[in-house]
Amino acid sequence: AQSVSQHNHHVILSEAASLELGCNYSYGGTVNLFWYVQYPGQHLQLLLKYFSGDPLVKGIKGFEAEFIKSKFSFNLRKPSVQWSDTAEYFCAVNALSNDYKLSFGAGTTVTVRA
Amino acid sequence: EAQVTQNPRYLITVTGKKLTVTCSQNMNHEYMSWYRQDPGLGLRQIYYSMNVEVTDKGDVPEGYKVSRKEKRNFPLILESPSPNQTSLYFCASRDRTSYNSPLHFGNGTRLTVT
Repeated sequence: AQSVSQHNHHVILSEAASLELGCNYSYGGTVNLFWYVQYPGQHLQLLLKYFSGDPLVKGIKGFEAEFIKSKFSFNLRKPSVQWSDTAEYFCAVNALSNDYKLSFGAGTTVTVRA
Repeated sequence: EAQVTQNPRYLITVTGKKLTVTCSQNMNHEYMSWYRQDPGLGLRQIYYSMNVEVTDKGDVPEGYKVSRKEKRNFPLILESPSPNQTSLYFCASRDRTSYNSPLHFGNGTRLTVT
């Protein structure tokens, strides 16, 4: 079974600072990887996804993530955050062989101070 | 507009009083799923359905039931709610004909069981 670990529980930073959120997964086979964002009071929305090809994936709102297979990692980055990036961020993974089972990490709350 | 609709958004009930949270999607998706979100635990899958009349347990199915009589609807039933089922619930759907399609989430139902 796959599992997902997000290293940071709560990150607080100032506007224009760079953001990096760690995500590691445990599963030996081929996986699909996702980052979802949940703005305060809203439902989860897809930020970006990786299935194959270029391990550097670009998503919406200036976010990107890099898949490093050897490290089982899929870290999320943004060079310069804005106040509107305040949200909870979830990493998720599903095994290609079990695409009905999407496992989520515990989430990272990001607070951006103006 | 393509969407997943959950009702109600907020629900307060007492222990043991049966309740149903409805979920409906208008995207003709085969796959639907229920998650609960709890602080520090992320999203955990309760039940999922790969098509009409096909349902299966997720990671935390105890105390819940589901049905999938029609493609668009996937209600979550709590026969005898208990306080440990106080949580934020999300319904989601996706298109299984495309293996890399993302989940579409509803707006959530915040349930309080006293």
